[in-house]
Amino acid sequence: GNSVTQMEGPVTLSEEAFLTINCTYTATGYPSLFWYVQYPGEGLQLLLKATKADDKGSNKGFEATYRKETTSFHLEKGSVQVSDSAVYFCALSGYRDDKIIFGKGTRLHILP
Amino acid sequence: DTAVSQTPKYLVTQMGNDKSIKCEQNLGHDTMYWYKQDSKKFLKIMFSYNNKELIINETVPNRFSPKSPDKAHLNLHINSLELGDSAVYFCASSQIDREYEQYFGPGTRLTVT
Repeated sequence: GNSVTQMEGPVTLSEEAFLTINCTYTATGYPSLFWYVQYPGEGLQLLLKATKADDKGSNKGFEATYRKETTSFHLEKGSVQVSDSAVYFCALSGYRDDKIIFGKGTRLHILP
Repeated sequence: DTAVSQTPKYLVTQMGNDKSIKCEQNLGHDTMYWYKQDSKKFLKIMFSYNNKELIINETVPNRFSPKSPDKAHLNLHINSLELGDSAVYFCASSQIDREYEQYFGPGTRLTVT
């Protein structure tokens, strides 16, 4: 079945550091891929998405590229801020699927 | 305006009790969901309703019963609460054919003692 694997956290970085959170997936067909973010005490929010191979999703300075050859969708940001501290979830949805499969989440701490 | 709201935000109760969590969305979405998030932040879908009809029912004990009085509401009733039910429960909604773009409520932290 479909699944998502993302790097375990927590990830701790200093402000303005470069961020990468790895995500790989297993799926039949051509899934759509997403990153969701959960800020402390809140529900999840869609951060960015990519619906086909080589698409790049971007939002709030974050980027992720759909790499079919490596079945990956790594999240990157060039310069993180303290306000980026949150839990990040990689997710996928299969073609004509009516649900999302979430990864286990990666907690990110940014130190001032 | 709150898009997806849940009540209560916190719920502390004893084992064996029956409790309900309510969810409402004002986005005009057709599909609503219930998720359970454990202490390690692992998020697992429990149920999904589309236009008041159940479309996803994952392996969840039958002590959990969702009820959708209309497409803007999806409530979760839990009978005979157990310690292992302690978690944060999230309601979410989405438009039909855009299930990947889900809007989540703020969560209900349930603690069973």
